[in-house]
Amino acid sequence: QTVVTQEPSFSVSPGGTVTLTCGLSSGSVSTSSYPSWYQQTPGQAPRTLIYSTNTRSSGVPDRFSGSILGNKAALTITGAQAEDESDYYCVLRLGSGIWVFGGGTKLTVL
Amino acid sequence: QLQLQESGPGLVKPSETLSLTCTVSGGSISSTNYHWAWIRQAPGKGLEWIGSIYYSGNTYYNPSLKSRVTISVDTSKNQFSLRLSSVTAADTAVYYCARHDSAGIDYWGQGTLVTFSS
Repeated sequence: QTVVTQEPSFSVSPGGTVTLTCGLSSGSVSTSSYPSWYQQTPGQAPRTLIYSTNTRSSGVPDRFSGSILGNKAALTITGAQAEDESDYYCVLRLGSGIWVFGGGTKLTVL
Repeated sequence: QLQLQESGPGLVKPSETLSLTCTVSGGSISSTNYHWAWIRQAPGKGLEWIGSIYYSGNTYYNPSLKSRVTISVDTSKNQFSLRLSSVTAADTAVYYCARHDSAGIDYWGQGTLVTFSS
């Protein structure tokens, strides 16, 4: 069974830049997997940040950007703010209408 | 503005069937290009895609849950539903309904917690 991998945790200083990644246990992530990214704070429903690799959802600050880096999808936060401290999830479309979430990355801003 | 609202029992007995409904407002569930999904999150854990349905009735299920899951749609009520059979404590989670297209999820419900009691 294919597993979508994410870093369990990451930390960044306020104003700093951080890149979170989303990979596959076997194979490479490409745009044809339509990687998307979601932000979730405790007790809240997820919020859509990025879809189709690099398209920001409406209202998402431009400090959030998506890309493919090597064989993984990536979410970069440039100029991190305290309010960005959250859990971040990626999801990949793996054919035949099947979607698989990564395990999530807990981002600390300190 | 599209809104999705989950409803259903918050307490289910082990071995019974969990049934939830998502009511869509502010838009039509029959919109082309969109699928309607159920996603869950166990306490302290990550998100898990359960399955999706198109308004025509075509369904796609998580292989690990496929034997126990049924997702259906009622276009006349602008609703879609989840049935998960033979539940155990491991199915305790917040259940979200959502809308997605091929590019990703754009709308989420607020989620509903389902717990289990003997």
